[in-house]
Amino acid sequence: QVQLQQWGAGLLKPSETLSLTCGLHSGSLRGHYWSWIRQAPGKGLEWIGEINHSGSANYNPSLKSRVSISRDTSKNQFSLSLASVTAADTAIYYCARARIFIDYWGQGALVTVSS
Amino acid sequence: SYVLTQPPSVSVAPGKAATITCGGANIGGRTVHWYQQKPGQAPVLVLYNDSDRPSGIPERFSGSNSGNTATLTISGVEAGDEADYYCQVWDDSSDSVVFGGGTKLTVL
Repeated sequence: QVQLQQWGAGLLKPSETLSLTCGLHSGSLRGHYWSWIRQAPGKGLEWIGEINHSGSANYNPSLKSRVSISRDTSKNQFSLSLASVTAADTAIYYCARARIFIDYWGQGALVTVSS
Repeated sequence: SYVLTQPPSVSVAPGKAATITCGGANIGGRTVHWYQQKPGQAPVLVLYNDSDRPSGIPERFSGSNSGNTATLTISGVEAGDEADYYCQVWDDSSDSVVFGGGTKLTVL
């Protein structure tokens, strides 16, 4: 059973950089893609991007200029960085195991952007 | 990029069948996956590869995909099925995951 636990700052000011990390508590990053997905309050799901164990990443074209996803295989973790946040980036952020479909999700973390 | 269209809401009486559609250009040529999300919870995969059920998902959940429409059918709907449902595909052209806008299923 894959368990994902995520953490990071929950309150940011506009223009700051969002940083979240997701730790894999069982299994390995190897052999899978690992994604970040977000959900604005009352809205639908939005895929942010993914990374594999080799470090190859893909991003949502609409966020690509501000997003970076990295991984630390020694710690079995992967991280999200989203630059220059605005109120529109306020959302619950989920980490997940994903490529073709998403079979394991983290618990979600609310990130609020407010001045 | 590829667009998936879902009806915002579907209502069904308990015990009846609920049908949730997901429209996309030649979606029948892609594999579609479905998620259930209850309030305050992370989504849960209920169908993958159009019609396969993960372990623990009741047989009441079934799916089909042809032409420009994929369909999630929940037979014998129960109160506990009330949730938001999202369809999803992998878009090769943009190397990205694409979600539909979601459908709120209300059990009357």
